[in-house]
This record gives sequence, structure tokens and C-alpha cells, in this order.
Amino acid sequence: DAKTTQPTSMDCAEGRAANLPCNHSTISGNEYVYWYRQIHSQGPQYIIHGLKNNETNEMASLIITEDRKSSTLILPHATLRDTAVYYCIVPGGGSYGGSQGNLIFGKGTKLSVKP
Amino acid sequence: KAGVTQTPRYLIKTRGQQVTLSCSPISGHRSVSWYQQTPGQGLQFLFEYFSETQRNKGNFPGRFSGRQFSNSRSEMNVSTLELGDSALYLCASSLGASGATGELFFGEGSRLTVL
Repeated sequence: DAKTTQPTSMDCAEGRAANLPCNHSTISGNEYVYWYRQIHSQGPQYIIHGLKNNETNEMASLIITEDRKSSTLILPHATLRDTAVYYCIVPGGGSYGGSQGNLIFGKGTKLSVKP
Repeated sequence: KAGVTQTPRYLIKTRGQQVTLSCSPISGHRSVSWYQQTPGQGLQFLFEYFSETQRNKGNFPGRFSGRQFSNSRSEMNVSTLELGDSALYLCASSLGASGATGELFFGEGSRLTVL
């Protein structure tokens, strides 16, 4: 089972910031949080990942709470092309203890960016 | 550099047949993972290969198998196809070093329809 819970859907106005929450209350101290998104009919796309500190790249920012039990993905200026399903993932275990190839995708959050 | 390439992109089979799907990872990537995506179950991990060895396996029947070649290319095979095997099959590649925290790069998928 997925180690994360996310809202089923969210709406965001074009040009505004989209803030997507994720709860991962059972995360272990050395487990990373990954975010991917999937635009309709395409393969998932990596967005960002983090451990403890906040992270930022050209696509988004990731804010992780101090207790690491939740995080928020921020798309600073959402566009129509950001409409997608966003997945918050804590990698599964496996024989290699967190093999990065074994991701447990939950239902994700369907983000709709509206004009 | 070229992304992850999956072939064929679309295929139609009948029940009882078998199918082989191919995945060419990004140059330099040694890990290949396979996922099945259906509307009902979402994205589910099938297996992961690293340096020609299966490193992790999801909860799928033995009809689903895979292999990886010395050039890191991978194939997956589904035998005795069932209607429920109709799905989008996604391949993802990564550098694959144990304990690494890098992202997965997904291909566009192979859409299998079983009639």
C-alpha cells in the first residue's frame, strides 16, 4: 500500500500558485519523498524529491514539515499545461531496501488548472 | 540525450496469446523498471532489473516475466494473455546505484489491448 495520502482533486486558476499537500505520517528517517506527475496518456514525469530540507528546482518547490509527516508541492505559476495527476511517493522497500525502481503510486491528486 | 524508448507503442492481441514488449533505457542507465497501469488499479510495479539481474518484483502472477540484456535494454513478456491484462505498460530507467536517490525516467508506454 502507498505510504502517502493526497486529496483526490484540486482546482487552480491559471497564473496562481498551486499548492498540493501530501501526508506521509509513517515515513522513516532516511526515506525520501518524491513527486511525479502524469499528463493524460503520457508516462509519469519526475518533478522533485527531498529528505528534510525544502527543495526548489525549475519546475517546483517542495516544502517538508519539520516532523517530516507531511509535505507540500508548490507550482509557483500554474499554467494549463500543468493539468495532470500529481503523485506523492515514498519509495517502497524490497530486497535492496528502498530500491529506487520500486515506487508505490497511490491515486494521486488530479490538478485542474482553469483559465 | 535520447529518452526511454518503448516498442511497440500499441498492440492488439487475443486471449491465450503471448506478447513481448521492449524497452531501451537512457544511455548510461543500468536499472530498468516495469509498471502496469489500468484505470481500476492505477500504476502498479511489476519488476526491476539491474545489471541483468532481477532486483525486485511486484505482486503479479508468473505469466509476467522479464529480462535485461548486457546493454541494459529490457524486455517483458506476458504469456497466456487474459482480458484483464489490457493496460498501459510503462518502462522507467534510472542510474540504478544501490542506495541512490535519483529519479526515474519513464517512457511513453506500450498500450496493450487483449480481445
